Amino acid sequence: KQEVTQIPAALSVPEGENLVLNCSFTDSAIYNLQWFRQDPGKGLTSLLLIQSSQREQTSGRLNASLDKSSGRSTLYIAASQPGDSATYLCAVSVGQAGTALIFGKGTTLSVSS
Amino acid sequence: GAVVSQHPSWVICKSGTSVKIECRSLDFQATTMFWYRQFPKQSLMLMATSNEGSKATYEQGVEKDKFLINHASLTLSTLTVTSAHPEDSSFYICTPILPGRTTDTQYFGPGTRLTVL
Repeated sequence: KQEVTQIPAALSVPEGENLVLNCSFTDSAIYNLQWFRQDPGKGLTSLLLIQSSQREQTSGRLNASLDKSSGRSTLYIAASQPGDSATYLCAVSVGQAGTALIFGKGTTLSVSS
Repeated sequence: GAVVSQHPSWVICKSGTSVKIECRSLDFQATTMFWYRQFPKQSLMLMATSNEGSKATYEQGVEKDKFLINHASLTLSTLTVTSAHPEDSSFYICTPILPGRTTDTQYFGPGTRLTVL
């Protein structure tokens, strides 16, 4: 059974710091991995999607890497800002497009000004 | 990206009552919708898969008679929590699957916060 773990559960940093969020999964047979952002009481916003054949994806200050063989992904946030404060969720898909996702519990990030 | 709405965004009800949550895909037709729920400080967990024109499929441990799903049209799926109890208090969120399943990116509704007193 696929399980997704995110470490740390919570993280507080001052504005401007670079930071790394970690995600691990138990079964390397994934189709893709996605990182989402969730604001309190809100839905999910897709940040980055990495296909199983890819090593990384970048969008602005965000960079996500994937090491499928070791079952790990990282989300790197450069020059953090208070507006980055949210919960970041990692999710894997074990099938083609349209397959339900398996989520981690998330990392709650707080960036202070 | 796809636009998904949910209604209501939050609801408080008394134990024993039923609550209906709507999920609409506003700019595309979805033959399939996933319903997830998220307990505080827990992962989003898939509850059921809603299929237009046919019965929903439920994940293990989810009572189909308690969580009624209706996917009567290609733009609307509803989840009804029947005889709600405090342990049903959770965040319910849907995601429609784009037709042809041509993209891996999934778009989620804004979610519905249910509190059962």
